[in-house]
This record gives sequence, structure tokens and C-alpha cells, in this order.
Amino acid sequence: QKEVEQNSGPLSVPEGAIASLNCTYSDRVSQSFFWYRQYSGKSPELIMSIYSNGDKEDGRFTAQLNKASQYVSLLIRDSQPSDSATYLCAVNFGNEKLTFGTGTRLTIIP
Amino acid sequence: NAGVTQTPKFQVLKTGQSMTLQCAQDMNHNSMYWYRQDPGMGLRLIYYSASEGTTDKGEVPNGYNVSRLNKREFSLRLESAAPSQTSVYFCASSRQSSSYEQYFGPGTRLTVT
Repeated sequence: QKEVEQNSGPLSVPEGAIASLNCTYSDRVSQSFFWYRQYSGKSPELIMSIYSNGDKEDGRFTAQLNKASQYVSLLIRDSQPSDSATYLCAVNFGNEKLTFGTGTRLTIIP
Repeated sequence: NAGVTQTPKFQVLKTGQSMTLQCAQDMNHNSMYWYRQDPGMGLRLIYYSASEGTTDKGEVPNGYNVSRLNKREFSLRLESAAPSQTSVYFCASSRQSSSYEQYFGPGTRLTVT
């Protein structure tokens, strides 16, 4: 069974600091990786996608992928209270579907 | 460009009643998906349609049926609702490329009493 694991948190980070979210996955044959942000009572929103080893930066967000170690992470720099949400990691294991982790709840403390 | 739309937003059913959740996308995506989300369980795939005319079971298909009406629309039917089907239901779509980025609708909050 292909799985995606995340620490459920809650993860509390002071405003202005770097928030680091981690995700591990079970299958080396994984092609694409995604981070979604979900505010309470709302639907998941795609914020980052990454397909090859290394870092990908988009504004305050950086996704990091290490296929050899089977983990993907999301860094949020200069964290803001508006970043408080649940972050879902999703992996495509080479088919038409995504497998989601259960999410990490992030709280930014003003 | 509305993206992915879902109706209704909220619904309360009695055990044994039936209903259909509607989903439509205007992004010309090939693939569409139905998920349920329960506290502590994450998003679980109920059914998906990789392309118009095809549907496949996901992780938790029991008690549900789907119809891919055309490229835009993908409906989810509960034939005889049970309290265990109380959940938030999300529809999603993707372009069906090598990446399979999915985009979600706003969700339907369903309560079965």
C-alpha cells in the first residue's frame, strides 16, 4: 500500500520565523509531489508542486524534494498569521490519482 | 472562470434517504475525483474518472455510485444514506498530464441523522 505520512502537529511557530513542514512517502516510484493549504472549513488549495530533486521557490514558500530519502518538505519564510492552516502533502505514485497525507496543522503565533 | 463548482453546499439527510451531489468544472480537465474528508482521516478517494466515459473505484467506494455525465460534470450518488456517510465531500479535477495537479471545489457538508 502506497502511503504518505505527515506529523499531525499542531506546529506552532512565531510570526516572522521559518515554518518547516515534512512529509515522507512509501514508494520510490513517485513522480510528482504537491503541497496544499487548507483553511478551517474551506477546500484544499494547491500552493506548490515539485517534480525533481532539489529546491523550488515561490515567494515565501520553498519546496524541497529528496527522492533517495523519500521525503518532501515545505518551508515558509517570514511566517504570517494568515499562514495558519492545515498543510496537506500529496504524492502521485505513477497513476491518475494522488495519495494525501493526513495533514499538519500550523499555527503562527503573533 | 468558476473552476470547480459543487452543489449543494450543505445537506441534511435522514438514514435511508438518497441524494446526488453535483460537480462541474470549466477548466477543460480530463480527470475528475470525489473525496470525503473526516477528522483525523485526511482526504480519502471515493471514485474517480480518468476521462469522459470511464469511472473507477477509489479507497472507499462502498455505498456510493458515480456518473461522468460529460467532460464537465461528475456526480456522486448516495442511494441509501447512513450515518457513517456524514462527512465533507470534495470534488476535484485535473488536466491529466504527467503531473496530475488537482484543483478542488468548495465542498459539500453532509449530515446523515
